[in-house]
Amino acid sequence: EIVMTQSPATLSVSPGERATLSCRASQSISSDLAWYQQKPGQAPRLLIFDASTRATGIPARFSGTGSGTEFTLTISSLQSEDFAVYYCQQYNNWPPLTFGGGTKVEIK
Amino acid sequence: QLVESGGGLVQPGGSLRLSCGGSGFTFNNYAMSWVRQAPGKGLEWVSAITGSGGGTYYADSVKGRFTISRDNSKSTLYLQMNSLRDEDTAVYYCAKDGFGATPGLDAFDIWGHGTMVTVSS
Repeated sequence: EIVMTQSPATLSVSPGERATLSCRASQSISSDLAWYQQKPGQAPRLLIFDASTRATGIPARFSGTGSGTEFTLTISSLQSEDFAVYYCQQYNNWPPLTFGGGTKVEIK
Repeated sequence: QLVESGGGLVQPGGSLRLSCGGSGFTFNNYAMSWVRQAPGKGLEWVSAITGSGGGTYYADSVKGRFTISRDNSKSTLYLQMNSLRDEDTAVYYCAKDGFGATPGLDAFDIWGHGTMVTVSS
């Protein structure tokens, strides 16, 4: 099973600042990685797939980079609506499909 | 969109069947999955099924207890849950594969709102 590890667990950022979230895979997953955003009481929403491709309707301030085992989600200038929990997920080697434990982005 | 139903309170050892209705896309062209989230916890993939329904896949934690199926004529996905345990308590989401009929080739591009399953005596 591929283990996905996200860091930090919590990120405190001021509105307008840049946020950088990390995700590490226990073995190479090529670029088969997705990022999701989840707000309280809501379902996850797809932000990024194939490590760096923005999903339909996702603002350009969200960007994804990385391949192999190290991945990064960057939010260039945090807006109020971006405070949420973010999950990475691999779909390279399964079953099982696996998610990271999440990073909570909170207001500083 | 996807709309789940069928959640509720059930005793340990009991059974429950979840449903997920799809609309706005050609249902049989896409693999589907169930993903759950225990209260205050992260996301856990539970099960997946091919577009035709001929292939099914399970997490070890539910193998032998849960059965995924679909009725493409009704654009509906199901999850039959038997021998339920306290640790199965979670919000259950259905999710559509973004690529096509084979699961595990892409991210989940559409998610339902979720249905809560509580296993408790």
